[in-house]
Amino acid sequence: QVQLVQSGSELKKPGASVKVSCKASGDTFSSYAMNWVRQAPGQGLEWMGWINTKTGNPTYGQGFTGRFVFFSDTSVSTAYLQISSLKAEDTAVYYCASRDSETDAFDIWGQGTMVTVSS
Amino acid sequence: QSALTQPASVSGSPGQSISISCTGTSSDVGSYNLVSWYQQHPGKAPKLMIHEGSKRPSGVSNRFSGSKSGKTASLTISGLQAEDEADYYCCSYAGGSSWVFGGGTKLTVL
Repeated sequence: QVQLVQSGSELKKPGASVKVSCKASGDTFSSYAMNWVRQAPGQGLEWMGWINTKTGNPTYGQGFTGRFVFFSDTSVSTAYLQISSLKAEDTAVYYCASRDSETDAFDIWGQGTMVTVSS
Repeated sequence: QSALTQPASVSGSPGQSISISCTGTSSDVGSYNLVSWYQQHPGKAPKLMIHEGSKRPSGVSNRFSGSKSGKTASLTISGLQAEDEADYYCCSYAGGSSWVFGGGTKLTVL
């Protein structure tokens, strides 16, 4: 059974950086289409983009270029989301979600990582 | 791309059926049969309920069904149960290796 386990909650000051990890178990990590989804407090889901863990090629959604970086390390079956120059509006729960290659749906989700940006 | 349009809330009594609409554009819902639906309970990660417009993953109750007509997809839940009370989100492929979610719908079981 494939599982995605994310790193724990983070509290950061404005201007700092944060790295969220998403470790996969139970399947071939190099074949994953790992997506990132943001959910601000009390708000809906927002697709941020994805990374092809086989090639390392990232695709960023609108509004998620520049300060947001996706990367992966197949040796430890882990995908990462790094956000730099944090702002208060980056406060949200960040989910990783694997997209199934046959259905193109997000069938497996991590538990979410809460990132709080506050001075 | 803009978020898909969903009603903010719907409600129904136990045993009844409800439908949640998801309206997109000719660039997303209208062009691809790749609409999926997710259920999210408070404080939990989303769960896939429907993929490719109308297909249920293994383990999802057959009370959940999906359909699409033109630029609008719909999720129908029949025989409402208390445990169905949650937020529901649609999602569509939008071309160019991008996806877009709906704004979400809060389902209240009266």
